[in-house]
Amino acid sequence: EADIYQTPRYLVIGTGKKITLECSQTMGHDKMYWYQQDPGMELHLIHYSYGVNSTEKGDLSSESTVSRIRTEHFPLTLESARPSHTSQYLCASSESRTGELFFGEGSRLTVL
Amino acid sequence: AQSVTQLDSHVSVSEGTPVLLRCNYSSSYSPSLFWYVQHPNKGLQLLLKYTSAATLVKGINGFEAEFKKSETSFHLTKPSAHMSDAAEYFCVVSEIGTYKYIFGTGTRLKVLA
Repeated sequence: EADIYQTPRYLVIGTGKKITLECSQTMGHDKMYWYQQDPGMELHLIHYSYGVNSTEKGDLSSESTVSRIRTEHFPLTLESARPSHTSQYLCASSESRTGELFFGEGSRLTVL
Repeated sequence: AQSVTQLDSHVSVSEGTPVLLRCNYSSSYSPSLFWYVQHPNKGLQLLLKYTSAATLVKGINGFEAEFKKSETSFHLTKPSAHMSDAAEYFCVVSEIGTYKYIFGTGTRLKVLA
């Protein structure tokens, strides 16, 4: 069982609302990631972090922002949600020696 | 540049018959290769990984994969499918130490009773 947790699991909100998706891991991993996944599709990297105070944008352009103030915590924020942001967001961290990715169970966001 | 191709978007097998999910990769470096499984409304779970040790890799739930450098393949197999194997499977290539994980487009496995 991976020790990486995402909240909320499901969120339905109206257009224009600000939302934060939480992600925490207890494995002490330096590298963390946010992926976006539409139903039945592959994963696209939207943000990653190599450690505290390090954040970078991924390959898929996203209007979301992230922060990494503590090693274990990597929240994702949307300042003003739109229907185009409707998707599943998966948080992950990686083990340095093997490169294995550990995933949370995902946050499914629906913007009305 | 790295890339990964999953050759089948959907695979259907009968319960108790063998499973073969195909994956080809391209990498400029010695790659690390992974297979992940995703059940509905869940995150991804590691099935197995290849990181330049034995070319035949055994994973969880009876799955295994063989790294074939000459064919640039990393196909996933299981001798006997179980109903609980029905899920989406992703082949992933990476270079250790980087943030780059290249995901395949996934193969949806259906297991028929």
